[in-house]
Amino acid sequence: DQQVKQNSPSLSVQEGRISILNCDYTNSMFDYFLWYKKYPAEGPTFLISISSIKDKNEDGRFTVFLNKSAKHLSLHIVPSQPGDSAVYFCAASVLGGNKLVFGAGTILRVKS
Amino acid sequence: DTGVSQNPRHKITKRGQNVTFRCDPISEHNRLYWYRQTLGQGPEFLTYFQNEAQLEKSRLLSDRFSAERPKGSFSTLEIQRTEQGDSAMYLCASSFIRTRGTGELFFGEGSRLTVL
Repeated sequence: DQQVKQNSPSLSVQEGRISILNCDYTNSMFDYFLWYKKYPAEGPTFLISISSIKDKNEDGRFTVFLNKSAKHLSLHIVPSQPGDSAVYFCAASVLGGNKLVFGAGTILRVKS
Repeated sequence: DTGVSQNPRHKITKRGQNVTFRCDPISEHNRLYWYRQTLGQGPEFLTYFQNEAQLEKSRLLSDRFSAERPKGSFSTLEIQRTEQGDSAMYLCASSFIRTRGTGELFFGEGSRLTVL
């Protein structure tokens, strides 16, 4: 049972445009959400997070939006850069819990 | 480099052999996690330690798998009698937790296991 779903295996975007990566979750107990980025031959690296008490968190070019009623979150990257090309994983947890549940990832390709 | 270090980076073994992976976390981190990632999937939680205590194990961790963190520093993950289905990337991560919250995990580069 996949509790965190990333339904788009890949996304291709032109440099300078917006990239929008989506994530859905089913477990209503999740209250903390994170995005990780992974380059080939490297481990995932933390990008940005959001707690369920917020609906938006912004860090530079990266913004995460949370829609609790829809159990949906999205990551916006503006403007997209070729160096953003990577696999992006959505992850969720219960605050005070002990593990992250990851989605399957979305491959982002930013074309120059 | 003070990041999470994993060894070996790649291990090829024959079915039925035992393999051991080592993880050296970031030194001040008190939590250490093992995850497994197969092709086309995200990392799946296997187990975690707080200091030297193993506090949770996933159902994915069969009795052929054992993890230790003897002095609350480095950790080992041993797989006995390997099967082809064990082929995966084994990721170690660490974090510093004061009281509550999962927080940000710092991942190593992973140890890729190929079972022939």
